[in-house]
Amino acid sequence: KAGVTQTPRYLIKTRGQQVTLSCSPISGHRSVSWYQQTPGQGLQFLFEYFSETQRNKGNFPGRFSGRQFSNSRSEMNVSTLELGDSALYLCASSLIQGGNTEAFFGQGTRLTVV
Amino acid sequence: GESVGLHLPTLSVQEGDNSIINCAYSNSASDYFIWYKQESGKGPQFIIDIRSNMDKRQGQRVTVLLNKTVKHLSLQIAATQPGDSAVYFCAENEGNTGNQFYFGTGTSLTVIP
Repeated sequence: KAGVTQTPRYLIKTRGQQVTLSCSPISGHRSVSWYQQTPGQGLQFLFEYFSETQRNKGNFPGRFSGRQFSNSRSEMNVSTLELGDSALYLCASSLIQGGNTEAFFGQGTRLTVV
Repeated sequence: GESVGLHLPTLSVQEGDNSIINCAYSNSASDYFIWYKQESGKGPQFIIDIRSNMDKRQGQRVTVLLNKTVKHLSLQIAATQPGDSAVYFCAENEGNTGNQFYFGTGTSLTVIP
């Protein structure tokens, strides 16, 4: 069974640009969550999608958005990039949405904003 | 907000010894916990989980202990190997918040050959 796939693995963007990251969950998994990982803040929850609907949202500005497609694949978008957005963005896949269920991570997308 | 912290940021152990990594959490409503291992350049890898109706769970070479009274979680790794060198995170989930996890700051484990 294939794991969580995130693309691209690496990105370099200029301040002010926007970026879209992609996540394909484990086959059969319907919940996708996104996290930002930085040395200073650690792993922080961005949002969770289930059945194409955002179910939970972390404490991030509106520049961070996402969506989920009918095949459970998800994308996240960051607009008007800032230097502080440089981070490893991780996607986690879970079978169901109700909590108390295993979450499996992808390799992440390393975003560098210059 | 939630607070999930680790007692030690770094841990060094001799190959073959047992390792114990600790984690404290503050949300008494948390009812599901996962330990993850993250190697350099990779995403977090699921190791073992435990629900709040249990106080101990064992896997292959790993044991997780949960003490709800003092809100403490630990990961024990038996016969630590060089391949166990990584950063270990505990993550907590409050079931009614969906799949949103709060992560600790991480402990870097170094295994000395």
